[in-house]
Amino acid sequence: DARVTQTPRHKVTEMGQEVTMRCQPILGHNTVFWYRQTMMQGLELLAYFRNRAPLDDSGMPKDRFSAEMPDATLATLKIQPSEPRDSAVYFCASGLLGEQFFGPGTRLTVL
Amino acid sequence: DQQVKQNSPSLSVQEGRISILNCDYTNSMFDYFLWYKKYPAEGPTFLISISSIKDKNEDGRFTVFLNKSAKHLSLHIVPSQPGDSAVYFCAASSAESTSYGKLTFGQGTILTVHP
Repeated sequence: DARVTQTPRHKVTEMGQEVTMRCQPILGHNTVFWYRQTMMQGLELLAYFRNRAPLDDSGMPKDRFSAEMPDATLATLKIQPSEPRDSAVYFCASGLLGEQFFGPGTRLTVL
Repeated sequence: DQQVKQNSPSLSVQEGRISILNCDYTNSMFDYFLWYKKYPAEGPTFLISISSIKDKNEDGRFTVFLNKSAKHLSLHIVPSQPGDSAVYFCAASSAESTSYGKLTFGQGTILTVHP
């Protein structure tokens, strides 16, 4: 059955290292979202794309985060350099009209 | 600025009883509201939604109530079951953001249903 996939599921890295998270949206979905889940803020929207074009990335720290969609089957979220405060679960979601379908998330720990 | 707020971080309920999860919003442009459910190590999944033209929507054991004047919605689960134990997120969108599928989420409420 169709689902959003994310890799890796877990990532432990040291401060200053580059982290790349990948997402494969559901085939046919034209909108892709990146969220970060924290205890205080819940699900924060970091960036989203429509038909591979970035619509809004105002939720991301621009100096260290970047999001891209090289093609319709792959979305990436990069953090460089990573910091301990980036430790969180990062979710990708895709959608067509209204409802969003979430991937299982990448749990990132920055030491 | 938190436009969607879930003020109760957690809720504990006995099996068979009613669970009531609450959500408040501040943006009067929001006109579509959703509840998502999240189990550990999984992504959130859609549960139920309501449009601002309604004040109630029911799906099996789940009912969502919307009070537009109070900018408040609630999710009722009756009867509650241990399998309902999860994090519940409230989300909202406006006519403008809906065209992009953009949702604004609350912080989540951890529901624990005890056998």
